[in-house]
Amino acid sequence: GQNIDQPTEMTATEGAIVQINCTYQTSGFNGLFWYQQHAGEAPTFLSYNVLDGLEEKGRFSSFLSRSKGYSYLLLKELQMKDSASYLCAVRDQDYQLIWGAGTKLIIKP
Amino acid sequence: GAVVSQHPSRVICKSGTSVKIECRSLDFQATTMFWYRQFPKQSLMLMATSNEGSKATYEQGVEKDKFLINHASLTLSTLTVTSAHPEDSSFYICSQQGDGTEAFFGQGTRLTVV
Repeated sequence: GQNIDQPTEMTATEGAIVQINCTYQTSGFNGLFWYQQHAGEAPTFLSYNVLDGLEEKGRFSSFLSRSKGYSYLLLKELQMKDSASYLCAVRDQDYQLIWGAGTKLIIKP
Repeated sequence: GAVVSQHPSRVICKSGTSVKIECRSLDFQATTMFWYRQFPKQSLMLMATSNEGSKATYEQGVEKDKFLINHASLTLSTLTVTSAHPEDSSFYICSQQGDGTEAFFGQGTRLTVV
């Protein structure tokens, strides 16, 4: 079956750096997405990786290793507003998005 | 980026009644729309894929007679929860997936059945 694993919850300190990992086992691969979701709101797009390597976008970076079925989202200079759930999703061979359960990130002052 | 507008954002209805949720693509033609349900502290669960002008494709375990999906035009897809019950209370989200780099989401609808 298809499976995406990410930690349920993480805690970090304001101003620090946090890395959220995502491992996946899917039928084919056509890209990996990271979304941010605040409570009660729809997800918002953060990043997209289809080739191996690091994609940097401001305070957020995303890394992909297709051979390892692994990705991480790196958040730098954490702010209180970064407290949210972070969803990893993989697009499979049928171009269907398979979603992870999300990682709830708690930022403490 | 593309905008997907979902309405209403919140609805409270009595058990046994039906609720319609609309999803509009404002600046592009959505040939395919996806409907998700999300329970508290859980991830998105795909309910169905709706294609303009044809019947929706439902995921296993989703009752097609209970969750009616209509995609009559390239800009509008609707989800109707028929004979709603408290267990149908959830967060419903529509999405348009592009061929490129991201999926565009509606704002979501918080349904509470009392």
